[in-house]
Amino acid sequence: GQNIDQPTEMTATEGAIVQINCTYQTSGFNGLFWYQQHAGEAPTFLSYNVLDGLEEKGRFSSFLSRSKGYSYLLLKELQMKDSASYLCAVMDSNYQLIWGAGTKLIIKP
Amino acid sequence: DVKVTQSSRYLVKRTGEKVFLECVQDMDHENMFWYRQDPGLGLRLIYFSYDVKMKEKGDIPEGYSVSREKKERFSLILESASTNQTSMYLCASSPPQDTGELFFGEGSRLTVL
Repeated sequence: GQNIDQPTEMTATEGAIVQINCTYQTSGFNGLFWYQQHAGEAPTFLSYNVLDGLEEKGRFSSFLSRSKGYSYLLLKELQMKDSASYLCAVMDSNYQLIWGAGTKLIIKP
Repeated sequence: DVKVTQSSRYLVKRTGEKVFLECVQDMDHENMFWYRQDPGLGLRLIYFSYDVKMKEKGDIPEGYSVSREKKERFSLILESASTNQTSMYLCASSPPQDTGELFFGEGSRLTVL
């Protein structure tokens, strides 16, 4: 079966750095995506990785290792507005997105 | 500003009622999707459409149908609502390239009593 695993909840402090991990087992691989979803709002696209390595976009970076079936989202200089759920999704060989359950990130002052 | 608009943010229906959830996008996207989102589960794909009048079943189509009469509009229909269809329903659209970058609507929270 296809499976995406990510922690259910994480807590971090304002100004700090947090790493949210995602491991996957899918039928084929055509890219990994991270989305941010604030409570009661629509998910919004954050990043896309299809090759191994680190993609940096401002305070957010996303890393991929295809051989390990592993990705992480790194958030630096955390702000209170970063409190949200972070969804990991993998596009399989049929170009369908397989979604993780999401990681709820709580930022404390 | 690009937009995916879902007709109702909150609905309360009774078991057996017919429910229509409307979704409109203004980005001229070919692809449209309906997902449901439940606590502790990843987004689950109900139906999708890659073109007008075209529809494909997703992972959990049972109890649902869809309609895509116009490119910009994708409707989700619950013919006879049941309590296990209480959920958050998310509509999304994307351009024809398989990039996986979806644009989501705000969601419709449906409660079936």
